[in-house]
Parts: sequence; C-alpha cells; structure tokens
Amino acid sequence: AQSVTQLGSHVSVSEGALVLLRCNYSSSVPPYLFWYVQYPNQGLQLLLKYTSAATLVKGINGFEAEFKKSETSFHLTKPSAHMSDAAEYFCAVSARDDKIIFGKGTRLHILP
Amino acid sequence: NAGVMQNPRHLVRRRGQEARLRCSPMKGHSHVYWYRQLPEEGLKFMVYLQKENIIDESGMPKERFSAEFPKEGPSILRIQQVVRGDSAAYFCASSPGQLFGNTIYFGEGSWLTVV
Repeated sequence: AQSVTQLGSHVSVSEGALVLLRCNYSSSVPPYLFWYVQYPNQGLQLLLKYTSAATLVKGINGFEAEFKKSETSFHLTKPSAHMSDAAEYFCAVSARDDKIIFGKGTRLHILP
Repeated sequence: NAGVMQNPRHLVRRRGQEARLRCSPMKGHSHVYWYRQLPEEGLKFMVYLQKENIIDESGMPKERFSAEFPKEGPSILRIQQVVRGDSAAYFCASSPGQLFGNTIYFGEGSWLTVV
C-alpha cells in the first residue's frame, strides 16, 4: 500500500530564506507524486507533479521538487520565501488504483 | 472552463439531522473523489466514484455515510443522523478518467458544523 510521510507539521522560515518541506513516500510500484497547496478556507491547488519524465520538477510560484528514488523522497523547495507562500502544503502519492493518498500536511509560516 | 463546484460552502446541522453535500465535477471529468479534512489530520480519502458506479469506498464509515454519482446531476455525499464528530471540511475532486497518475482537481470544500 502507498503512503506518504511529511516531516514537520509546522515549518517557519524568514522572508527571503530557503523553503524546504520534506516528504517521504512508500510505494510498491513506481509512483506518481504530487504537491498541493491549500490557502485558508480554500480547496487544494496543484503545485507540481512527478510523472517519471524528469527527476527535478518545476511548479508554480517558484516551487520545485526533486524525486530521489534511493531516498524515497520528494522534498519541496523554493529559493526565497515570500509572505504569500504562507499556507498548508500537502504531499501526495498516486496508487495504481488511481486513488491519491495525502500526507498530513505541513503548515508553512513566513516570518517578516 | 469552470472548476469543481461544491455546495453548500458552509452547512450547519443539529445532531440527528441529515447533511447533503453536492459536487459538480469539471467539464469533461467523469470521476469524482470525496475527501474529509480534520485539523492536524490532513485529507482522508472517503470514496471514489464514476458515473452510476462506486469504484472504491474503502474510506467511507460503515454507517450513516453514502455517496452517489448519478448519470445526470452532481455527485452527492450524504450523512445521515449527523454527530458532532462529523464536523469537518469535505472536499470533492474530479479527474478526466481512470488513468494511473491522473491529476485530480479540487473544489473549494464544504464545511459542515454539527451543533
């Protein structure tokens, strides 16, 4: 069965600093991996998606993630945090039956 | 191209009443998913439906919860005899079809409060 673990339910970074949100997955088959972002009282928006075409995936709003099979990781990064990046971020893995399994989320706080 | 539409956005029910949450998928999408979100618990998969067919309901509570996606009209998540523990945000998502790795697109959510 597929699963996702997000390390750190809350992460705080200063404005302009590097953002690193960690995600490790477990999958018995080559996975599809996703990062979604959720702003308060809204639905989830797709940030980026790994489909095995390239290990470094670029998404919207300057975010990117790198798939590392040896580490079973798919960490999300952004070189310079902006106040508008404050939100909750979810890593997800797609199972072969097309069900998408989500992690518990990481709330990103941006310090001025 | 309209996105996934959910209504109502906010719903208040007294214990014992019924709650009905509706979801219209994106145009051209034939698959609908329902997720429940509780604080600090992330999104929990509930059910995955195709038109007139439940594909996977492994995340649905055994009692009081049901879902349908009729040939015509929106998908409905129905909660009978609601209890306080049902208070949560319920998200619907849709995808174009049953392909491994399909992106799913979310609606804005329906917040259920049971008083």
